[in-house]
Amino acid sequence: AQKVTQAQTEISVVEKEDVTLDCVYETRDTTYYLFWYKQPPSGELVFLIRRNSFDEQNEISGRYSWNFQKSTSSFNFTITASQVVDSAVYFCALIPHRNTGKLIFGQGTTLQVKP
Amino acid sequence: DGGITQSPKYLFRKEGQNVTLSCEQNLNHDAMYWYRQDPGQGLRLIYYSQIVNDFQKGDIAEGYSVSREKKESFPLTVTSAQKNPTAFYLCASSIAGDSTASTDTQYFGPGTRLTVL
Repeated sequence: AQKVTQAQTEISVVEKEDVTLDCVYETRDTTYYLFWYKQPPSGELVFLIRRNSFDEQNEISGRYSWNFQKSTSSFNFTITASQVVDSAVYFCALIPHRNTGKLIFGQGTTLQVKP
Repeated sequence: DGGITQSPKYLFRKEGQNVTLSCEQNLNHDAMYWYRQDPGQGLRLIYYSQIVNDFQKGDIAEGYSVSREKKESFPLTVTSAQKNPTAFYLCASSIAGDSTASTDTQYFGPGTRLTVL
């Protein structure tokens, strides 16, 4: 099976708190690609990061960081010192190598950051 | 500015009518995609095209049709055969469409919200 699971449907935090969004994936392929997208209330999906399966280095971009662990098939996303503008739906997605460009999306996690 | 445009932003349709959603990109991308999003759910692939004059069905193609006559354009028609067309429709594109590069990052347009009255 090829699948992405985002177990957290909704998360609510107060501004400046750190928050981690979980993502667990399943694929038979040894080569695959993982993504995170942000969907603000306007609806457009904004690309955040892409990670290849052969590159397990974690990545930090400003207040955002990603923890990729092949051993647990997880690709978690942490926002440090959250801000109200971070409020959005966040999607984790997977392209298995042989899947010809089809993005497999998780159900999404709605993050609400309160002032 | 380079990007993906979708029009209209909101679309209302009466039952039994066909409607066409527009998607245009000036990123010089070869591959284009249509996704459907229902409330509280992730996106599901309707159709995709890796090259002009060629396209393939995605996971939920029934009741939809597409064409790819130009590299820049990938319109989606929602036909009367689609039983539950009310949804948010997102178009995306990626750089190359050949099988080795189909794992490229997909970039999305702003979406069209279709409501059937």
